Amino acid sequence: DSGVTQTPKHLITATGQRVTLRCSPRSGDLSVYWYQQSLDQGLQFLIQYYNGEERAKGNILERFSAQQFPDLHSELNLSSLELGDSALYFCASSVGGDSPNFGPGTRLTVT
Amino acid sequence: GQQVMQIPQYQHVQEGEDFTTYCNSSTTLSNIQWYKQRPGGHPVFLIQLVKSGEVKKQKRLTFQFGEAKKNSSLHITATQTTDVGTYFCARSYNQGGKLIFGQGTELSVKP
Repeated sequence: DSGVTQTPKHLITATGQRVTLRCSPRSGDLSVYWYQQSLDQGLQFLIQYYNGEERAKGNILERFSAQQFPDLHSELNLSSLELGDSALYFCASSVGGDSPNFGPGTRLTVT
Repeated sequence: GQQVMQIPQYQHVQEGEDFTTYCNSSTTLSNIQWYKQRPGGHPVFLIQLVKSGEVKKQKRLTFQFGEAKKNSSLHITATQTTDVGTYFCARSYNQGGKLIFGQGTELSVKP
């Protein structure tokens, strides 16, 4: 158990919809990362927050946004969903910039 | 430039055989990290290599970092069915925050 929790575990939605994925980092971790894992793109970094502020940005689409709240939990918002957004979305956390601990993931299916 | 190439993509071995996966970069790496993802699971951090020519061992796993810090390998001696999963190498992009993952090597072990 990495100490990182993610909800929901599974999400099925239709194209054009908007969803919110939630992550609670391991206790004491200030950094939160979001990764997307799909068959064709592999494991891709989306965005990192550190203590509420955006720290690094990766291949995150404009339709996607994230934030980290004062209690350090984070949300990833995905809007105008397309079939290609179907993937596993992992949240990970770390104390600072060290090796992140991954959560169990949210499997998103867009139909 | 930032990518890390990992080979092979798949490896099927008989239990007891050895296994090696390789990770290559066209640019010098500040460090390389290795993760394991079990089927249906999330990536789990295994190790980080920082020094040129570094070799680290974890029981039957041996990790090496090349002298030029452009390649790395993970070798498993006498594989067991518990070794099944996908092994990823990853480079950190900005002092550990953002990780760029290789495509992974999926290991299957036949008992």
